[in-house]
Amino acid sequence: SQQGEEDPQALSIQEGENATMNCSYKTSINNLQWYRQNSGRGLVHLILIRSNEREKHSGRLRVTLDTSKKSSSLLITASRAADTASYFCATGDDYKLSFGAGTTVTVRA
Amino acid sequence: NAGVTQTPKFQVLKTGQSMTLQCAQDMNHNSMYWYRQDPGMGLRLIYYSASEGTTDKGEVPNGYNVSRLNKREFSLRLESAAPSQTSVYFCASTQWAQGPYEQYFGPGTRLTVT
Repeated sequence: SQQGEEDPQALSIQEGENATMNCSYKTSINNLQWYRQNSGRGLVHLILIRSNEREKHSGRLRVTLDTSKKSSSLLITASRAADTASYFCATGDDYKLSFGAGTTVTVRA
Repeated sequence: NAGVTQTPKFQVLKTGQSMTLQCAQDMNHNSMYWYRQDPGMGLRLIYYSASEGTTDKGEVPNGYNVSRLNKREFSLRLESAAPSQTSVYFCASTQWAQGPYEQYFGPGTRLTVT
């Protein structure tokens, strides 16, 4: 079964706006990762946040982690058409990662 | 540096046929994975190999077998394909040391079973 669950399932925004998506998970974690998948392609790693971190930035991406609520959020600021993709959170243990079903983000020009 | 490569990119099989999906990585990673992705389902782990010489079942192993041929290569075999195995298959690799690190994914194999 999937450990993480993203919310919302789909998101449509105007270019230049911010996009926020959330991930909830069930068990304690060492870290949480976010991946992007462009249509028809493999997943690409975006950012990893460790359980002792609360916030992490990478370019236009901001990730937060709240271990007490077992949740994480991914914020994409000043969105671009190229940000149109599906975004997945993933948590891991015992050599395996479990992925959520993803949030599909559409950025309108 | 090619990263993770997969062959073939597309395949159509008839029910009952067999095939092997190939995966290779050139990053000297110790762990390799096979996932399937169905619409709206996210990725589900089929089999993985934590290190050369070991393989383990994932979430959906039925109907599949794997071989970790060496450190670079990890193949997935469908012995008798069924329509339920129509999916996109992704191979991934990572260097798993003290906890999970980022996984690197191949471009995928789109398999249709008729």
